[in-house]
Amino acid sequence: DTAVSQTPKYLVTQMGNDKSIKCEQNLGHDTMYWYKQDSKKFLKIMFSYNNKELIINETVPNRFSPKSPDKAHLNLHINSLELGDSAVYFCASSQGRLAEIQETQYFGPGTRLLVL
Amino acid sequence: GQNIDQPTEMTATEGAIVQINCTYQTSGFNGLFWYQQHAGEAPTFLSYNVLDGLEEKGRFSSFLSRSKGYSYLLLKELQMKDSASYLCAVMDSNYQLIWGAGTKLIIKP
Repeated sequence: DTAVSQTPKYLVTQMGNDKSIKCEQNLGHDTMYWYKQDSKKFLKIMFSYNNKELIINETVPNRFSPKSPDKAHLNLHINSLELGDSAVYFCASSQGRLAEIQETQYFGPGTRLLVL
Repeated sequence: GQNIDQPTEMTATEGAIVQINCTYQTSGFNGLFWYQQHAGEAPTFLSYNVLDGLEEKGRFSSFLSRSKGYSYLLLKELQMKDSASYLCAVMDSNYQLIWGAGTKLIIKP
């Protein structure tokens, strides 16, 4: 009965490859997010997706693209992987937009990506 | 620019009390969150403050002063399982969460 799940948990790949990380939530939430946590432990929002509205952090390279086949899924595709993409990627979801009072996000377990 | 500051690491003794501070400078303010993150795991929600004052929830309390751009998380009766990183995050005027780097709390017996 995992609330937010991600696959794979670990991903080791070569520079230049294209890879995808999958995320699913069974909470019935309306909004999903992708975060990148770097080696310094900063959590940086990459995307939020609500009812087909995509909000992109402008600092995210266009090699990263979210894909949402339905409300319960938000996958992350990464093209032409670079060494600096190595990080932990967290998926999260919330009931509404974070604009709602006391909205809290539920995080997935994270995907540890290592680019060699 | 937007900035969240927290101490990098703190050490405390089992059974004691510890206060983790967070100061912020953001474009607008729509609330402050505290999350707990155990090593290798996802962050989990602890508290949310949007009004000044103290919010108590069991052994954990969170305080906010908007005029000072300051919050703290107070942990009482520390247990070994409280060893984790504690992340402060502020929601700015665009309803984006700005995260601090986290404070690693080490609990010693």
